[in-house]
Amino acid sequence: QKEVEQDPGPLSVPEGAIVSLNCTYSNSAFQYFMWYRQYSRKGPELLMYTYSSGNKEDGRFTAQVDKSSKYISLFIRDSQPSDSATYLCAMRSTGGFKTIFGAGTRLFVKA
Amino acid sequence: NAGVTQTPKFRILKIGQSMTLQCTQDMNHNYMYWYRQDPGMGLKLIYYSVGAGITDKGEVPNGYNVSRSTTEDFPLRLELAAPSQTSVYFCASSYSSDTEAFFGQGTRLTVV
Repeated sequence: QKEVEQDPGPLSVPEGAIVSLNCTYSNSAFQYFMWYRQYSRKGPELLMYTYSSGNKEDGRFTAQVDKSSKYISLFIRDSQPSDSATYLCAMRSTGGFKTIFGAGTRLFVKA
Repeated sequence: NAGVTQTPKFRILKIGQSMTLQCTQDMNHNYMYWYRQDPGMGLKLIYYSVGAGITDKGEVPNGYNVSRSTTEDFPLRLELAAPSQTSVYFCASSYSSDTEAFFGQGTRLTVV
């Protein structure tokens, strides 16, 4: 079993839709949870960074962490064609140097 | 605002050849990382460094070597290239283990 599971998609939605992206994990030691966005042929860039459980909102993006279920989500409201990218979840334990990444979900937002 | 710079962007190697992937950051970050990204597999950590002169293995270090003689530079060396090393390689840096990692644009390597 992989430490982090993420559906690779692709996920195709119309412009303006609410998008839900999810990851599950098996290591209960993970405390730091991240979402990266990666455009085609570019490096990943950090979108959201949360510690432990709870919600965090930044503009159209909301990250949720449910440690009891070992489940994290990224919601994108009012999705735009410019949101079309691969979204990678990532997580790390406290004091750990090794960040574990999900496989990434490819998202297409159609105009 | 250069950030993390990787060279080259693309390279084709023959089996058994060697090469060095260059990575430089201008943010004075202590931590630097090398990842490889394969389709459907996410990013896998190859090596990391917590400061000049200090390096350690990640998840998939076999076939690679690194050095960290300065804060800015963290080259990745491939000896005796194999087809299994065909991948996209990303260098990243961060101020500490708990802060945001900034990634370079990647090097696409094909071994034939």
